[in-house]
Amino acid sequence: QVQLQESGPGLVRPSETLSLTCTVSGGSISSYFWTWIRQPPGKGLEWIGSIFHSGSANYNPSLRGRLSISVDTSKSQFSLKLTSVTAADTALYYCARESLSDYDAAYFFDYWGQGILVTVSP
Amino acid sequence: DIQMTQSPSSLSASVGDRVTITCRASQSITTYLNWYQQKPGRAPRLLIYGASTLQSGVPSRFSGSGSGTAFILTISSLQPEDFATYFCQQNYNLPRTFGQGTRVEIK
Repeated sequence: QVQLQESGPGLVRPSETLSLTCTVSGGSISSYFWTWIRQPPGKGLEWIGSIFHSGSANYNPSLRGRLSISVDTSKSQFSLKLTSVTAADTALYYCARESLSDYDAAYFFDYWGQGILVTVSP
Repeated sequence: DIQMTQSPSSLSASVGDRVTITCRASQSITTYLNWYQQKPGRAPRLLIYGASTLQSGVPSRFSGSGSGTAFILTISSLQPEDFATYFCQQNYNLPRTFGQGTRVEIK
């Protein structure tokens, strides 16, 4: 069974860099898009960005310029760095696997981590 | 970005009720639409992908329909474990976007 686990600091100061890592176990990190999604308290879900095992990344334009996603296949990990954070970046951050359907071009998030709450506060 | 709009934002229903949730896309996404269930304190769970394909292990009381810009999630007979928030999500293009969620509460 594939499992994802987020790790990183739960408190980040304004203007500093938020850094999170997701560790994948129980399955290969190859052939999937590995994704970060966040959810501000009491609000909806926002796709942050994703990375393929090859290292090719896609970012949400709303965060581009502050965002970097990387992958370390040797450790089965992928990471998020978000610079110049503000209170608006306070959220529950999820890592997830995006898979492709076997018989059409449908992509979906089929495995999720439990989420990690990151608070941006002085 | 493709905007996803769900209705209603919340609903109250009783066990055994038939429940429908609507999701509309700001442009055609053909059938590139997924549905998720989220319970408090838990990560979202994939229910349906490709607008109508049930994810493995999901009860058959859940079904999805629609194409283009209008989609429906139906729970044929609401069970106690179905009280949760439901999100739609488009995978037609990037950035992936979600609906704001529909909270299903106990009546």
